[in-house]
Amino acid sequence: NAGVTQTPKFRILKIGQSMTLQCAQDMNHNYMYWYRQDPGMGLKLIYYSVGAGITDKGEVPNGYNVSRSTTEDFPLRLELAAPSQTSVYFCASSYRGNQPQHFGDGTRLSIL
Amino acid sequence: AQSVTQLDSQVPVFEEAPVELRCNYSSSVSVYLFWYVQYPNQGLQLLLKYLSGSTLVESINGFEAEFNKSQTSFHLRKPSVHISDTAEYFCAVSDAGGYQKVTFGIGTKLQVIP
Repeated sequence: NAGVTQTPKFRILKIGQSMTLQCAQDMNHNYMYWYRQDPGMGLKLIYYSVGAGITDKGEVPNGYNVSRSTTEDFPLRLELAAPSQTSVYFCASSYRGNQPQHFGDGTRLSIL
Repeated sequence: AQSVTQLDSQVPVFEEAPVELRCNYSSSVSVYLFWYVQYPNQGLQLLLKYLSGSTLVESINGFEAEFNKSQTSFHLRKPSVHISDTAEYFCAVSDAGGYQKVTFGIGTKLQVIP
């Protein structure tokens, strides 16, 4: 009964490094999302996907990339990490776009 | 376009007192409404939802919310809070037709004081 699994849970990066945040869901959901959460700012949608092979930008996509080769996996790639990308990142999934989303426990990323 | 406004960023309340967390939405079409809860160092969890039918919806841990179409509100209430209710609460809206994604409010931090 895993739901949405995010790895790693914590990571510290140096400026300019790159990394991939992993997200996997076992509910056969079509929709998957990446959000970042900063204190007092709520959730900001980075990218989302409506199915394998289909991705689209959210409100804050700059500095990030995604791919969706399978229904289960939706990795988020940070290229050339910057201090402004220090945040908590959440992956979520849902059966349809207007249905409740299921969230992972987040990846806490610090860029120094 | 749709939007959600959570009017209070923080709400302190004494244990066993009642609480109301306010949420107003804007949409030109029929809506689905949600409340999520986020405990420290965890992801968001669905607390309750309104899709259709009765305008009063309840959660398993004593929270309730009422969909008020005329006031475009979906306030969350609990008659007696517990320390364990300390968390951040997010209101969210989506369109019933399925053409738009869920839009989240910026959250309300509920601090229950012993």
